[in-house]
Amino acid sequence: ILNVEQSPQSLHVQEGDSTNFTCSFPSSNFYALHWYRWETAKSPEALFVMTLNGDEKKKGRISATLNTKEGYSYLYIKGSQPEDSATYLCAFTNTGNQFYFGTGTSLTVIP
Amino acid sequence: NAGVMQNPRHLVRRRGQEARLRCSPMKGHSHVYWYRQLPEEGLKFMVYLQKENIIDESGMPKERFSAEFPKEGPSILRIQQVVRGDSAAYFCASSPLPSLYEQYFGPGTRLTVT
Repeated sequence: ILNVEQSPQSLHVQEGDSTNFTCSFPSSNFYALHWYRWETAKSPEALFVMTLNGDEKKKGRISATLNTKEGYSYLYIKGSQPEDSATYLCAFTNTGNQFYFGTGTSLTVIP
Repeated sequence: NAGVMQNPRHLVRRRGQEARLRCSPMKGHSHVYWYRQLPEEGLKFMVYLQKENIIDESGMPKERFSAEFPKEGPSILRIQQVVRGDSAAYFCASSPLPSLYEQYFGPGTRLTVT
């Protein structure tokens, strides 16, 4: 079983603040890293699929970077809004078949 | 285009009964993943299937659990002789192509074993 860690476990920020969190994964045999957003009572929703070292992806106010050599990815949210409140999950695969999920970072944006 | 459908949404079984969980992938998706979320834990990979093939079942318990994805119809996760420890939320996700494409998750089936 491969270890995927996310930090912090939870985060409270004020509306308008920018924030970021980390996903750490094994740096050997990298295949792909996925980021998902999971709102309470809904299903996980895909944000990014990252495959190349140095990848940077952006969707609106959310962006992510990838460092496969040192085994981490950052997710950034610029100007947090209450609707950004959710759990953010990363999932690592080294084979393309089995995905290892972190336990997520729970973000609460306070109006 | 309807999303990933799972049914039932809630399932209650007594110990020793069988549980059948169904997952209909998004139209055009031929890759299905099953995950389990135990109480207070994260998502754990169980099995990855393509139409009529199990590609990777390394996350599935060796006994009592099986999965299939027939040519026609939904993917089925079957748990025989359920025990209390099987109580969990079971999610499936589908993808048009594996690994390098995002997965689309269903709403999950919450299994309670009494």
